[in-house]
Amino acid sequence: AQSVTQLGSHVSVSEGALVLLRCNYSSSVPPYLFWYVQYPNQGLQLLLKYTTGATLVKGINGFEAEFKKSETSFHLTKPSAHMSDAAEYFCAVSPWMDSSYKLIFGSGTRLLVRP
Amino acid sequence: GAGVSQSPRYKVAKRGQDVALRCDPISGHVSLFWYQQALGQGPEFLTYFQNEAQLDKSGLPSDRFFAERPEGSVSTLKIQRTQQEDSAVYLCASSFAGGFSDTQYFGPGTRLTVL
Repeated sequence: AQSVTQLGSHVSVSEGALVLLRCNYSSSVPPYLFWYVQYPNQGLQLLLKYTTGATLVKGINGFEAEFKKSETSFHLTKPSAHMSDAAEYFCAVSPWMDSSYKLIFGSGTRLLVRP
Repeated sequence: GAGVSQSPRYKVAKRGQDVALRCDPISGHVSLFWYQQALGQGPEFLTYFQNEAQLDKSGLPSDRFFAERPEGSVSTLKIQRTQQEDSAVYLCASSFAGGFSDTQYFGPGTRLTVL
């Protein structure tokens, strides 16, 4: 069965520092990959997604992620953290090879931004 | 336009009570999903509708959970004889066509607390 691993339940960075949130998936066949952000008491908002084509994907709010098949990874980065980036981030996969439309989520990484 | 809305936002139930959670998807969206998010965890898939057809209910944890979407728009998730382990945030999401790579748009969730 497909699974998603997010290393680090909490990541703390200083404002202006690089943000790196890690995500690895388990499938030998690349799934579709998503990053969502969740602010307190709100639903999930899509940051970016990878389906096919260019492996470097740019999303909203200055975030980007790179799909690396050899590493089965889809890490999320942002060059310079802003206080407003503090939130919970979820990596998810769409296991299309299982003919399933659901998303499988990782357990999330809480990003803390220090002033 | 309006996003996905859910009601109520908060629900407190005594163990053994039945509850009904409502989801209004984005107008025109064919697909609708329900997810369960336990405290500190990522969302977990419960069930999926395409129009009024429930195509996947593999994630429903027990026969106490029942979902319907009779006219292909609004959906209701019903939990009978609630148990403490049912306490979670229940998220609804919709997508335009339900393809494997389609973006799922999430509502704010209903936080269910079972006492």
